[in-house]
Amino acid sequence: AQRVTQPEKLLSVFKGAPVELKCNYSYSGSPELFWYVQYSRQRLQLLLRHISRESIKGFTADLNKGETSFHLKKPFAQEEDSAMYYCALQSGSEKLVFGKGTKLTVNP
Amino acid sequence: EAQVTQNPRYLITVTGKKLTVTCSQNMNHEYMSWYRQDPGLGLRQIYYSMNVEVTDKGDVPEGYKVSRKEKRNFPLILESPSPNQTSLYFCASSPWDSNFGYTFGSGTRLTVV
Repeated sequence: AQRVTQPEKLLSVFKGAPVELKCNYSYSGSPELFWYVQYSRQRLQLLLRHISRESIKGFTADLNKGETSFHLKKPFAQEEDSAMYYCALQSGSEKLVFGKGTKLTVNP
Repeated sequence: EAQVTQNPRYLITVTGKKLTVTCSQNMNHEYMSWYRQDPGLGLRQIYYSMNVEVTDKGDVPEGYKVSRKEKRNFPLILESPSPNQTSLYFCASSPWDSNFGYTFGSGTRLTVV
């Protein structure tokens, strides 16, 4: 069965500091991994897809199949990055399994 | 504008009174799904649909029903709501190519008293 683990419920950093949000997954097939972000009182938004290897708002994430990880990184955090971040694994288009989320707070 | 629209945004109801939360998407997506979001539990899938008249249970389907009579609409039905269904609900849709990820609605905050 697929599972996504985000070990940190809360993460607090200062503005300008590097940030890494951890995500580990368990899946026997070839995973499709995503990061979604939810700003306060807003809908979830797609932030990154591993397949596109893109950088959005300064965030990047690399899929490490050996470590079954898909950590989200940003070299210099900004206050507007404060939000809930969810790692998600998609197994076929019908099933998107989420981690429990990490609340990132960027302090001034 | 491409979007997923849910209604209502907020709903307070009483135990046992049937309710429907509507969801509509204008992107011609094949896949649609309902999630509930609870503190400490993250998002859990309730039901999903791969196309018209094709639906299946997610991880927490008990107490919910869905239908997919038209491609754009995917209503969530609570026949007899109970207080443990108090939650924040999200509808989402995705095209056939799953690499695009899901587009989410704004959410419906349901309180059952």
